Amino acid sequence: QKEVEQNSGPLSVPEGAIASLNCTYSDRGSQSFFWYRQYSGKSPELIMFIYSNGDKEDGRFTAQLNKASQYVSLLIRDSQPSDSATYLCAVPNSGGSNYKLTFGKGTLLTVNP
Amino acid sequence: GAVVSQHPSRVICKSGTSVKIECRSLDFQATTMFWYRQFPKKSLMLMATSNEGSKATYEQGVEKDKFLINHASLTLSTLTVTSAHPEDSSFYICSAQRETQYFGPGTRLLVL
Repeated sequence: QKEVEQNSGPLSVPEGAIASLNCTYSDRGSQSFFWYRQYSGKSPELIMFIYSNGDKEDGRFTAQLNKASQYVSLLIRDSQPSDSATYLCAVPNSGGSNYKLTFGKGTLLTVNP
Repeated sequence: GAVVSQHPSRVICKSGTSVKIECRSLDFQATTMFWYRQFPKKSLMLMATSNEGSKATYEQGVEKDKFLINHASLTLSTLTVTSAHPEDSSFYICSAQRETQYFGPGTRLLVL
């Protein structure tokens, strides 16, 4: 059973701080990793993806991947109240062609003004 | 790019009626689409994988005769909730596969 683990939170940070969201996965064969943001009452929205070890930056967001440790994280710099949402880590099933994603349970982030 | 729409966004129906939800990929073709449902404050639950031109693959515990899925074109998949009951009230979300899954905005179903 492939697993994706996230701290459910809630994670509370003050406005302007760095929010750090973490995710571990069990399948060593996983090659790609996705972060989705889900606002309350809305559907998930893709915000970042990463395939290679190291860091990938996109605006205020940085995804970090360490395949040896089976760990992927999302850093949000200069956090804003509008970043308050649940962040889902997702890992595609490795092998096969069914494209299913295994989601973590999500981390609820609250950014306090 | 990668825009997915759903229609309707909200629907209220009487118990025993059927409801059809449409999922469209607007700017790309999607051989594979997925249907999820989500209860308040709960995780996404995958219901089925919809493949264009073939039968859907349902997850364990999801009744295929109750949740009919049709994926007749590369841009449209439909989910029909047949003989809906109040316990089917939920947030139904589709996604379309490109390099990853892109989600539609969801359909909120309320069965009275």
